[in-house]
Amino acid sequence: DAGVIQSPRHEVTEMGQEVTLRCKPISGHDYLFWYRQTMMRGLELLIYFNNNVPIDDSGMPEDRFSAKMPNASFSTLKIQPSEPRDSAVYFCASSSSPAEAFFGQGTRLTVV
Amino acid sequence: RKEVEQDPGPFNVPEGATVAFNCTYSNSASQSFFWYRQDCRKEPKLLMSVYSSGNEDGRFTAQLNRASQYISLLIRDSKLSDSATYLCVVIGGGGGADGLTFGKGTHLIIQP
Repeated sequence: DAGVIQSPRHEVTEMGQEVTLRCKPISGHDYLFWYRQTMMRGLELLIYFNNNVPIDDSGMPEDRFSAKMPNASFSTLKIQPSEPRDSAVYFCASSSSPAEAFFGQGTRLTVV
Repeated sequence: RKEVEQDPGPFNVPEGATVAFNCTYSNSASQSFFWYRQDCRKEPKLLMSVYSSGNEDGRFTAQLNRASQYISLLIRDSKLSDSATYLCVVIGGGGGADGLTFGKGTHLIIQP
């Protein structure tokens, strides 16, 4: 298995633009997590899905952030409009149980 | 109040030495505990689970103290390759029923 695949690996965008991050989980995994990592705040859980259904989105910072999982093999995290404070590394992870999460390589987002 | 707290370090340790660090969690209802390892500019990866009875994996030993609400990681005969950030992870620690809550990590540097 190729593991969790995220795209793009790097994204630089201007403030106000829409940003879409993509994730392909490991086949057969029922859980999908979106995390954000910054030096100041560490790894923060934004939202997670179980069987494509959003279970907990309490970590989503505000309405500018939205996440979807239209099927078992694809998820997106969208930021609209983006702001400089959204600059971070965004990780997607999947697992077959909540216990061991396998992470993608992350998307490094810079909003200027 | 932070859900999961770790000493950020860095811990500078000579090669071959033994090093240990702790992680405290605030939610007494937390169910499962793990240590993840994250190398610089890489994604986190599961290092080991932490069981109530404690567990050992080669040079690594993890312990759980429910009464005092902390977990620990001990590394014996440290290697240069052990240099990384070690993340304490709790399930049921405030990140949702199934979401993993990460500490900010302890940075370990093994020196030759």
